[in-house]
Amino acid sequence: GAVVSQHPSRVICKSGTSVKIECRSLDFQATTMFWYRQFPKQSLMLMATSNEGSKATYEQGVEKDKFLINHASLTLSTLTVTSAHPEDSSFYICSARVAGVSIQYFGAGTRLSVL
Amino acid sequence: ELKVEQNPLFLSMQEGKNYTIYCNYSTTSDRLYWYRQDPGKSLESLFVLLSNGAVKQEGRLMASLDTKARLSTLHITAAVHDLSATYFCAVDARKLEYGNKLVFGAGTILRVKS
Repeated sequence: GAVVSQHPSRVICKSGTSVKIECRSLDFQATTMFWYRQFPKQSLMLMATSNEGSKATYEQGVEKDKFLINHASLTLSTLTVTSAHPEDSSFYICSARVAGVSIQYFGAGTRLSVL
Repeated sequence: ELKVEQNPLFLSMQEGKNYTIYCNYSTTSDRLYWYRQDPGKSLESLFVLLSNGAVKQEGRLMASLDTKARLSTLHITAAVHDLSATYFCAVDARKLEYGNKLVFGAGTILRVKS
C-alpha cells in the first residue's frame, strides 16, 4: 500500500518557538494533503486541506497565520506551528490522497508538547 | 453541517462475545471508512466501503454499509484482547459544500476483558 512518512514523531519545544512538521508521500504523488489535530481521547479534527501549488484551505476556527501549511511539491507538505503555546500541544496527523481517488493514507503522527 | 455519529463511545466486552459498533451519518454518501487507532499511534485502515450493500470481512471484524439508511456497522465476532483499540468511522463528504473531505465519528473505545 501507499506509504506516508511523517517527521518528527515527537517534538518538545519551549513556548514561543516554531515547530515544523513534514509529511511525505513516499511511493505516490499526492495532489492533496490533509492536516488533522487530535486531542487526548477525542476524534480527529481536520485543520486544513492543502493542494500542491496552491494555498491551503483552512477549516473554520483554525488560525492560518499560526498554522502555516506549505505544499510545494507532489510529495511533500509541511505544517509549521508558529509561536507555539502549551495549548497547541496535541497529536498532529497528516494524510495524503491521489487525484481522483478518495482513499487517504495517513502518516504516523507527530506528538507536540509545548512547555 | 455533515454529522457522523458513532455509538457506543465506549465498549467493554468479554473475550469470546460478539458486538456491533454503529456509525450513522447525516448526508448521502457512498464511501465510508473504518479505522483502528492504538494508543499513541496513528490510524490503521481497516475497511473501505464504496457502495450500498458493501460488506467486507477481515478476521473477526466485518463491516457493512447501507447508504439508504445512512448507516454502517462494524461487527466484532468472538472478541479477543488484541482487538482492544479505538475504532473510528469516517464518511467521505464528497459534495462540494462539505469540501471533499473525511468527516470522522467520535470513535469507539473498545476494551476486551479476559
